[in-house]
Amino acid sequence: QSVLTQPPSVSGAPGQRVTISCTGSSSNIGAGYGVHWYQQLPGAAPKLLIYITTNRASGVPARFSGSKSGASASLAIIGLQAEDEADYYCQSYDTTLRGGSWVFGGGTKLTVL
Amino acid sequence: EEKLVESGGGLVQPGGSLRLSCAASEFTFKSHWMHWVRQAPGKGLVWVSYISDDGRSANYVDSVKGRFTISRDNAKNTVYLQMNSLRVEDMAVYYCARERLGTAGDAFDLWGQGTLVSVSS
Repeated sequence: QSVLTQPPSVSGAPGQRVTISCTGSSSNIGAGYGVHWYQQLPGAAPKLLIYITTNRASGVPARFSGSKSGASASLAIIGLQAEDEADYYCQSYDTTLRGGSWVFGGGTKLTVL
Repeated sequence: EEKLVESGGGLVQPGGSLRLSCAASEFTFKSHWMHWVRQAPGKGLVWVSYISDDGRSANYVDSVKGRFTISRDNAKNTVYLQMNSLRVEDMAVYYCARERLGTAGDAFDLWGQGTLVSVSS
């Protein structure tokens, strides 16, 4: 059971808009810590997409955007492309563990129909 | 090109030990906190451990505390993960990752390709 909760899967047709939610709590996202998003293509290492909730990493297309409200965050992808089919993970910092810890969501598999 | 390259994975019996290494290149290694993240087959990402830029602070996920030890050698631009008393549930691809800035909770902006640790009798 992951500390951050993501839907297991989402799907959309090429050109459509999809969103992936990430729900945390008062010890992580709700405490004001930034949310980061990663894309993991099959067989590859994760790649940073969005850092500190809304900032796109270098080279990431403007089709990807992040937002946050309270203890939840979202990743939006507009103009969906076949190459976007991948697993997506949210991440934040959590204060429950003594000394702090970095926590991930369980991941969301995006299927481009 | 900035790069992280892990090594040291392999097959080990339950109760055995392994030491993973992660060699960094083309960036100022000593300025960054470093992390280990693992991914069991078909599962999601799990943060395992971090070490501060100067090596004086570290922390671990509860499931590995007392068994794993993270360390670094800034002169060799390398971070290590010593894994003892390995269990079947430790089997995973282990990634090392660089934290973007040296403040708790920032993103991991550079990842290695991963090294596979298999635990089986």
